[in-house]
Amino acid sequence: NAGVTQTPKFQVLKTGQSMTLQCAQDMNHEYMSWYRQDPGMGLRLIHYSVGAGITDQGEVPNGYNVSRSTTEDFPLRLLSAAPSQTSVYFCASRNRDSEAFFGQGTRLTVV
Amino acid sequence: DAKTTQPTSMDCAEGRAANLPCNHSTISGNEYVYWYRQIHSQGPQYIIHGLKNNETNEMASLIITEDRKSSTLILPHATLRDTAVYYCIVRLISNFGNEKLTFGTGTRLTIIP
Repeated sequence: NAGVTQTPKFQVLKTGQSMTLQCAQDMNHEYMSWYRQDPGMGLRLIHYSVGAGITDQGEVPNGYNVSRSTTEDFPLRLLSAAPSQTSVYFCASRNRDSEAFFGQGTRLTVV
Repeated sequence: DAKTTQPTSMDCAEGRAANLPCNHSTISGNEYVYWYRQIHSQGPQYIIHGLKNNETNEMASLIITEDRKSSTLILPHATLRDTAVYYCIVRLISNFGNEKLTFGTGTRLTIIP
């Protein structure tokens, strides 16, 4: 049972490049979400999904897109990376009544 | 979700009980208190949660005051591996369509050998 798996663990992008951060969970959880964590700060919600085909914006959605075509996967897309998106990104999943399980994070640097 | 207030940092001697306080004076009747911790930039890890009764599991105990305006997380015998940032969060449970966990800056707990 792998839990929540994020890939890649580290990534360096040039300004303007695009990329997709992958998140997969094998616990059949309904809810999935993406957070970013900047140095010395708590986690901020980017986007979340309450089931396949359903997504919504969180606290800081600008510059990011998501989709949820399957229960297991919830990719986060950066369409045109900016230095302000340098951060550590965490994916989480849970069921309605359960605690959230987090991945180990993707450390992204935009130069 | 109600906001929480936690001390920025705390120290605790190894082997002693670590008591981490949290104020949530605007908590509503159907909001739970959750605790997570984050060890050295890893993904946050769930510890415990409760509504109004005290709770205990293999990791910690949670004491919630009778008026529910504050709570304390207790790590009974702290080890060096408990050094982490601890987040107190209050949220509705089973609130369909609202996944948001509001993380503040938490309490940085340092266990001293």
